[in-house]
Amino acid sequence: TQLLEQSPQFLSIQEGENLTVYCNSSSVFSSLQWYRQEPGEGPVLLVTVVTGGEVKKLKRLTFQFGDARKDSSLHITAAQPGDTGLYLCAGAPYTGTASKLTFGTGTRLQVTL
Amino acid sequence: DAGVIQSPRHEVTEMGQEVTLRCKPISGHDYLFWYRQTMMRGLELLIYFNNNVPIDDSGMPEDRFSAKMPNASFSTLKIQPSEPRDSAVYFCASSWGSGNTIYFGEGSWLTVV
Repeated sequence: TQLLEQSPQFLSIQEGENLTVYCNSSSVFSSLQWYRQEPGEGPVLLVTVVTGGEVKKLKRLTFQFGDARKDSSLHITAAQPGDTGLYLCAGAPYTGTASKLTFGTGTRLQVTL
Repeated sequence: DAGVIQSPRHEVTEMGQEVTLRCKPISGHDYLFWYRQTMMRGLELLIYFNNNVPIDDSGMPEDRFSAKMPNASFSTLKIQPSEPRDSAVYFCASSWGSGNTIYFGEGSWLTVV
């Protein structure tokens, strides 16, 4: 079974601070996705990284896929209250269907004024 | 376009009762997924369909759980008999093609007392 461990589990910061969330596994993935889930809603895809070492930026969010395709990080610059939510990473396997994602344990972020 | 539509949004039922959760995927999508989310276990894939055919049900916890997709626009997840440990948020999701963006519904919040 492929497992994805996220750290930290919980993070409470003030507006304007920077933060990094980590997603680690002993397994290799063909691609890795990051989702954000707000209370009472389903997860929403933020980004997909496909190539080892790839870096993608989405406004104040920077996503990186590890060279060995086993880990990923999400960095948020100058966090805002609207960034509050549950962040989930999800890995797609090399074998079988790419749609059979394994989700990480999640990082719950709270950004306060 | 409407997103993935799930019903009911909330259900409270007594142990031993049958529970049926319903899902209407996004029109044109050929993959449908059922996930379960709990604090302890995170987001787990229960079963997924491709072109209405169940492809992988290895995540279905027990024989008490069953899922059907009689046509491209409707799926059900049934729990019979329900138990308190089945209490969770159940998400339906759909995508077009393997490995493409998965769109989640808002979830069905199930409480079994």
